[in-house]
Amino acid sequence: AQSVTQLDSHVSVSEGTPVLLRCNYSSSYSPSLFWYVQHPNKGLQLLLKYTSAATLVKGINGFEAEFKKSETSFHLTKPSAHMSDAAEYFCVVSRTNDYKLSFGAGTTVTVRA
Amino acid sequence: DAGVTQSPTHLIKTRGQHVTLRCSPISGHKSVSWYQQVLGQGPQFIFQYYEKEERGRGNFPDRFSARQFPNYSSELNVNALLLGDSALYLCASNLRTGGLTDTQYFGPGTRLTVL
Repeated sequence: AQSVTQLDSHVSVSEGTPVLLRCNYSSSYSPSLFWYVQHPNKGLQLLLKYTSAATLVKGINGFEAEFKKSETSFHLTKPSAHMSDAAEYFCVVSRTNDYKLSFGAGTTVTVRA
Repeated sequence: DAGVTQSPTHLIKTRGQHVTLRCSPISGHKSVSWYQQVLGQGPQFIFQYYEKEERGRGNFPDRFSARQFPNYSSELNVNALLLGDSALYLCASNLRTGGLTDTQYFGPGTRLTVL
């Protein structure tokens, strides 16, 4: 079985400052890990994906995440927040090639001008 | 190319009624998955279909059923609706090649309200 825990339900940052969204995972198998973003009244969009290749994964819109097996973590970062980054972010785990995604509870990001 | 499409966008039903939600995958994608997202929570896996066969089922009651058609589109059916079925229902499609770049793409969802 696999699951993820998103450690912050809400993160508030000022525009231009770094963003850090924390995620810990639990998996009985070699996991695939993802970060998805959901803007209000929009579908889920894939930000990035880890599948046992490089541990530092670069995604769209300047986001990146680092897979740390020893800490069972997959934290999402962005060096400089933009107003358009305000959204709900989900950390997701699956067994590689299983396609059944297990979502975390989500982290709401607000960006202050 | 068009993304994953879902219909209808919004739906209001009363308790005990039946509902059918529809999903069209991205062209060329043969696998469709359904997820339920209750307000304030992350999506929960309901079903996965590939080549018209059920390949996975989440922890949902038998009131939930689905099928996939020869053109790879899919329907999700929910019988005897309960208030707790009110949620955003998301459909996702992927190629299911097993490759590292195989990714699930989500539609905008159908918002179901049960009164």
